[in-house]
This record gives sequence, C-alpha cells and structure tokens, in this order.
Amino acid sequence: NAGVTQTPKFQVLKTGQSMTLQCAQDMNHEYMSWYRQDPGMGLRLIHYSVGAGITDQGEVPNGYNVSRSTTEDFPLRLLSAAPSQTSVYFCASSSDVYDGYEQYFGPGTRLTVT
Amino acid sequence: GENVEQHPSTLSVQEGDSAVIKCTYSDSASNYFPWYKQELGKRPQLIIDIRSNVGEKKDQRIAVTLNKTAKHFSLHITETQPEDSAVYFCAAKTGANSKLTFGKGITLSVRP
Repeated sequence: NAGVTQTPKFQVLKTGQSMTLQCAQDMNHEYMSWYRQDPGMGLRLIHYSVGAGITDQGEVPNGYNVSRSTTEDFPLRLLSAAPSQTSVYFCASSSDVYDGYEQYFGPGTRLTVT
Repeated sequence: GENVEQHPSTLSVQEGDSAVIKCTYSDSASNYFPWYKQELGKRPQLIIDIRSNVGEKKDQRIAVTLNKTAKHFSLHITETQPEDSAVYFCAAKTGANSKLTFGKGITLSVRP
C-alpha cells in the first residue's frame, strides 16, 4: 500500500492564481481531511469528508474548496491564492468516521504564495 | 466547538529523564484523545491514543493518562532519548462529531 499520497511536494504561486492540491489514499478509508500547519498554530482543519459525495467545513475553510467524487481522492482547490495561504498542507485519512481511529497523514505540500 | 490547549509550548529535558506533556480540552463530550509525533520535516504520526472509558494506557516508554473530571490528559515519556526530540500534538474528538481538534503542539528537546 502506498498509504496517503500528496502532489505536488512543493509549489510556488503568485497572488490570484488558482491550483489544486491532490490527495489520494489506497486504504479504502471513508474519512479524509485537509489540514494546514503554520508555525505556532498547530494543525488546523480546513475541510473534511465522511464518504464519497459528502464534504463539510472545518475550522479554516475560507478560500478553499473540496469535492469527494470517489473514496480514494480528495483534492483541495485554492480558487484565488493569497499570501495568507502560504503554509504546509497535510491530507489525512482514517478508517472510522465517528469512533476515533488513527489518522494517516500524507507527506505534505509546502505552498508559498508571493 | 472543542478547544484543545497544550502546556508548555516547549520542553527541554536531559537524556534519560522523564518528560510530561499536558493537554486540556473544553468539551466534556469528547471521547477520543490521540497523541501525534512530528519529526522535523516529516508528517505527524500517531504514537498512542486513549478513549474516555480508560484512565491510563501504556506502550513501552510512553503512557497517556486521562482525567475526565478535570478535562485534561497527559503524555508521559520515560527514559527519554535524543530520537524523542520532536513536536508532539494532542487532539480530542467529540463523540457525535467526526472531527479531530488538535492543540498547537509542544516542541520536546532531549539533550544528550
């Protein structure tokens, strides 16, 4: 199993550009989520999904869109990049939706917006 | 919503000593409390977790204790080693909610 994969590893955008961060998992996990990690701020939840076709907002959803058309993929879209979105982005998946089980994190995407 | 706080924000210990990292949470309905370790430049990885029906759990040199009355849980690392140096995140999950809320993280440094 590859686990959770993310592409790209690094990305530089100019303000106003759009892009999609890709996330895929091969563990047949129902629960997937996106976090951003900023120095001193911990891991903050952007969006999450409890299954294909179902998504919901987390703590910091503004400026980001998600969709979940398949169990495996959960892309994160930045519609119009802003310098405040410079961060490290982690995708994670978990086998259980409500009972609480290990979240497996991807390797992260380091995004810089200039 | 749930609020998770970690104290202190940094901790430095001598190799071989014990380290204790404490977290508090706000929602009494939270029922799952994991701890994640993140080494520099790496992804967070689960090291231990505890559920609300258990007071303590051990796994070799690490243990987690939960005090539901006081709404806090702690990570205990004994016989610390340099490879324990990392950022440690605690988190809490509320029963009917599928989301994990993370604390801001604690940087543990183990001095050789």
